[in-house]
Amino acid sequence: RKEVEQDPGPFNVPEGATVAFNCTYSNSASQSFFWYRQDCRKEPKLLMSVYSSGNEDGRFTAQLNRASQYISLLIRDSKLSDSATYLCVVIVNTGGFKTIFGAGTRLFVKA
Amino acid sequence: EAQVTQNPRYLITVTGKKLTVTCSQNMNHEYMSWYRQDPGLGLRQIYYSMNVEVTDKGDVPEGYKVSRKEKRNFPLILESPSPNQTSLYFCASSKGLAGGPYTEQYFGPGTRLTVT
Repeated sequence: RKEVEQDPGPFNVPEGATVAFNCTYSNSASQSFFWYRQDCRKEPKLLMSVYSSGNEDGRFTAQLNRASQYISLLIRDSKLSDSATYLCVVIVNTGGFKTIFGAGTRLFVKA
Repeated sequence: EAQVTQNPRYLITVTGKKLTVTCSQNMNHEYMSWYRQDPGLGLRQIYYSMNVEVTDKGDVPEGYKVSRKEKRNFPLILESPSPNQTSLYFCASSKGLAGGPYTEQYFGPGTRLTVT
């Protein structure tokens, strides 16, 4: 079983739709959580950090459920420019700090 | 401009010929890391460094070496490359809070390596 699992998609949605991505992690030593966005084989870029209290940035809302070891990302009012791969990222305290990426969820937003 | 640079961006080499991919950051970050990205597998961490002279293995360290002699540089060394190391490689850096990469990781543009 992978340490961080995501639905690979692809998700095909019309502009204006609301779409939700889920991510589960298996290591209880996981300490920090993020969503990154990656465009077509370019470098990943931070979309948002994820906190237990939940956090929102414009059309994007992230949630963390530590008890269920589950992270989510909600995108409201999807734009064409949201088309990308969304990566769930977990920092695990192993004595050092390993970074574990999910394989990513591909989103296509269509006009 | 704050950035992470990698060189070369593209490299085609032959099995067994030692190579080094350089990574440099100008943000005075403590944490640096190397990843490889393969279709269907996502990004996997090769090695990371929490500070100068402190390095540790990620999930796929076999066949790679790293060093961190200066804070800004974190080269990735393939002593004897093999075709299964053909991949897209990313270097990243992050400010280390409480020792960990708890803030945003900034990524370099990637190095596409082909080993024949």
